[in-house]
Amino acid sequence: AQSVTQLDSHVSVSEGTPVLLRCNYSSSYSPSLFWYVQHPNKGLQLLLKYTSAATLVKGINGFEAEFKKSETSFHLTKPSAHMSDAAEYFCVVLLGYGGSQGNLIFGKGTKLSVKP
Amino acid sequence: EAQVTQNPRYLITVTGKKLTVTCSQNMNHEYMSWYRQDPGLGLRQIYYSMNVEVTDKGDVPEGYKVSRKEKRNFPLILESPSPNQTSLYFCASRPGPGHAAYEQYFGPGTRLTVT
Repeated sequence: AQSVTQLDSHVSVSEGTPVLLRCNYSSSYSPSLFWYVQHPNKGLQLLLKYTSAATLVKGINGFEAEFKKSETSFHLTKPSAHMSDAAEYFCVVLLGYGGSQGNLIFGKGTKLSVKP
Repeated sequence: EAQVTQNPRYLITVTGKKLTVTCSQNMNHEYMSWYRQDPGLGLRQIYYSMNVEVTDKGDVPEGYKVSRKEKRNFPLILESPSPNQTSLYFCASRPGPGHAAYEQYFGPGTRLTVT
C-alpha cells in the first residue's frame, strides 16, 4: 500500500535560515510525489512535483525537494526562509494502480512558523 | 481563467438538514474529487469521479453522496448532516488518469459547521 509520513507536525525557523520539512513515503511502485502549500484561510497550491524525471525538483518560491529512493524520502528545503513562507505544507503521493489510479494520498501536514 | 469553484464558501447548518455543496470546473477535466480537511489529519478523500456517471468511494465516504451528470459539475450531498461532518471541504479536478502531469487543481474550500 502507498502512504506518506510527514515526520514533523510543526517546524519553527527564523527568517533567513534554512527550511527542512521531512517526508517519507511507502510505495510498491515508482511513485509520483508532490508538495502542496496552504496559506492561512487559503486553498491548496502545488509547490512542486516529482514524476520519475530528475531527482532534484525545483518548485516555486525558491523551494526544492530531492527524491531519494534508497531512503524513501522526499524532503522539502529552502535555503532562506521568508516570513511569507509561514503556512502548512503537505507531502502527497499519487496512487497509481487499479481503479483508484490517480488518487492522491496526503500526509497529515507540517505547519511552518517563521520568526522575525 | 482556469478554475475550480465551490459554493457556498461558508455554511452553518443543523443536524439532519440536507445540504448540497456545488463544485464546478471550467477546464474540461475528466477527473474530479472531494476531500475533507481536519486538523492533524491532512486531507482525506471522500469520493472521486473518473468521468461522467462514473463515481467511486474514497477513504471516508460514509454520510456523503455525489453525482456526476455533467463533466463540469460534481456536487457533494449530505443527506442528513451530523456534527462530525463539521470540516473544511475541498473539491479538486485534473485532466484524467492517463495524463502525465497529474496536477490537481483545488477549489477555494467550503467551511461547513453542523450544530
